[in-house]
Amino acid sequence: TQLLEQSPQFLSIQEGENLTVYCNSSSVFSSLQWYRQEPGEGPVLLVTVVTGGEVKKLKRLTFQFGDARKDSSLHITAAQPGDTGLYLCAGDSGTYKYIFGTGTRLKVLA
Amino acid sequence: ETGVTQSPTHLIKTRGQQVTLRCSSQSGHNTVSWYQQALGQGPQFIFQYYREEENGRGNFPPRFSGLQFPNYSSELNVNALELDDSALYLCASSLEPASYEQYFGPGTRLTVT
Repeated sequence: TQLLEQSPQFLSIQEGENLTVYCNSSSVFSSLQWYRQEPGEGPVLLVTVVTGGEVKKLKRLTFQFGDARKDSSLHITAAQPGDTGLYLCAGDSGTYKYIFGTGTRLKVLA
Repeated sequence: ETGVTQSPTHLIKTRGQQVTLRCSSQSGHNTVSWYQQALGQGPQFIFQYYREEENGRGNFPPRFSGLQFPNYSSELNVNALELDDSALYLCASSLEPASYEQYFGPGTRLTVT
């Protein structure tokens, strides 16, 4: 059974701080996605990474796919209250069945 | 261009009953996937429909079934509801099964009492 473990599970930080969220698995994924979900809404796709070692930037968010395509990280620089939400990673093993991690709940305090 | 819509927003059912949830995919998208998200957890893949055929299934029992219509909208049916079926049910549409981008609807919150 493929599993994606995210850490930390919960994170509460002050506005302006930096943070990193990790997504780890023992399985290889052909692609990995990061989503943000707010209460009462569906997840919103932030980025898809496909190539091992790939780094993508989205404003203050930096995403990296591990060289072996088993892990990924999300780094947020100078966090803002608007970054608050549930961050989910999801991996596709090539069968189009996305496996989601348990999520990291981020709260950024003003 | 309208996004993914789901109905109803909330639903309360009694154990043993049956429920049908509906999803309209984003314009031009022929693939719909359904997920179950229990409280405090990430979504779990139920199944995917592509051009009216089931195109992959997760570890859910047969009492979870689905349909996709010619306009690519979709239904999720759950029979013999159990208390553990209480969850947020999400559908996501994509251009095709191999597309990396899937767009989620707001979900249907199902409560089984």
